[in-house]
Amino acid sequence: KQEVTQIPAALSVPEGENLVLNCSFTDSAIYNLQWFRQDPGKGLTSLLLIQSSQREQTSGRLNASLDKSSGRSTLYIAASQPGDSATYLCAVRSQGNEKLTFGTGTRLTIIP
Amino acid sequence: NAGVTQTPKFRILKIGQSMTLQCAQDMNHNYMYWYRQDPGMGLKLIYYSVGAGITDKGEVPNGYNVSRSTTEDFPLRLELAAPSQTSVYFCASSPGQFGYTFGSGTRLTVV
Repeated sequence: KQEVTQIPAALSVPEGENLVLNCSFTDSAIYNLQWFRQDPGKGLTSLLLIQSSQREQTSGRLNASLDKSSGRSTLYIAASQPGDSATYLCAVRSQGNEKLTFGTGTRLTIIP
Repeated sequence: NAGVTQTPKFRILKIGQSMTLQCAQDMNHNYMYWYRQDPGMGLKLIYYSVGAGITDKGEVPNGYNVSRSTTEDFPLRLELAAPSQTSVYFCASSPGQFGYTFGSGTRLTVV
């Protein structure tokens, strides 16, 4: 059974800093991994999707990497801004499986 | 370009009542999903569908039912609501091997 872990559960950093969010998964047989952002009381917004054959994806100040063999992904946020404050969730779609398995998220606070 | 639309956004139910959460997508995605999100617990899959007429259980299906008569719609039915079903419910769709699109959620309270 796939399990997805995100550590830390919460993170506070001053504005302008670069930061890394971590995601680990137990079964390396995956189709893809997706990072989402969730604002309080809102739905999930897809940030980046990495297919199993890829090592990283970039969108603006965001860069997500995938190391399938070690069961790890990182989300790098450059030059953080207060508007980046949100909960970040990673989710894995395992091979032979139509479902996403979610981590419990990292709640990020950027301090102005 | 609506994406995934969920209604209602909020609802309060009394114990034992029933209701249907609506979900519609306009992207012609074959795959649709219902998740629930409890505080600090992440998202848990309730039911999913790989196409019209095909549904299957997820991790936490008890107390819920679904149907998929069209590609666009995937309603979730709660029978005999219980306080344990107080949660935020998200519907999502996917074209298959690519990413998911989520609705904005339905916040349900059972009292």
